Amino acid sequence: NAGVTQTPKFRVLKTGQSMTLLCAQDMNHEYMYWYRQDPGMGLRLIHYSVGEGTTAKGEVPDGYNVSRLKKQNFLLGLESAAPSQTSVYFCASSRTSFSYNEQFFGPGTRLTVL
Amino acid sequence: GENVEQHPSTLSVQEGDSAVIKCTYSDSASNYFPWYKQELGKRPQLIIDIRSNVGEKKDQRIAVTLNKTAKHFSLHITETQPEDSAVYFCAASIRSGGGADGLTFGKGTHLIIQP
Repeated sequence: NAGVTQTPKFRVLKTGQSMTLLCAQDMNHEYMYWYRQDPGMGLRLIHYSVGEGTTAKGEVPDGYNVSRLKKQNFLLGLESAAPSQTSVYFCASSRTSFSYNEQFFGPGTRLTVL
Repeated sequence: GENVEQHPSTLSVQEGDSAVIKCTYSDSASNYFPWYKQELGKRPQLIIDIRSNVGEKKDQRIAVTLNKTAKHFSLHITETQPEDSAVYFCAASIRSGGGADGLTFGKGTHLIIQP
């Protein structure tokens, strides 16, 4: 099992450009999450999904959109990138609600917006 | 929403000594408290977790204690080793109407093990 994978690993964007980050998991997990990690800030929840076709906002959703068209994939989109979105993005998944099951994290995507 | 405070931000201990990291949370509805270890450039990995119906949990050199009344929980690492050097994050569950609780993380503790 590959677990949770993320593509790309690194990306540099110019302000105003758009991009999509892909998260894939092969553990048949129901729940998936997107977090961002900034220096000294820990990880903050952006959006999450409780299953195929469903998404919901987390703590810091502004400027991001997500889609979960397939159970194994969770996409994070930036429509018009801003320097404030420079961060490391982590995807995670869990079998059901994390309250009862461990969240497994992907390796991260380092995004720089110039 | 949930707020998690973590202290200290940096902790330096001699190899073989114990390390204690403390966290407090604000939402009394939180019922799950995991601890993650993150090495430089790597992903966070779960090292231990505790649910609100338990006061203490131990796994070899690592233990976590939870005081629900005071809304604080702590990570204890005994007999520290060089490979324990990393950033440690505490987290608490977010209760949401959707039923898929996210996690609110503390800002992290950089644990340094001195040889």
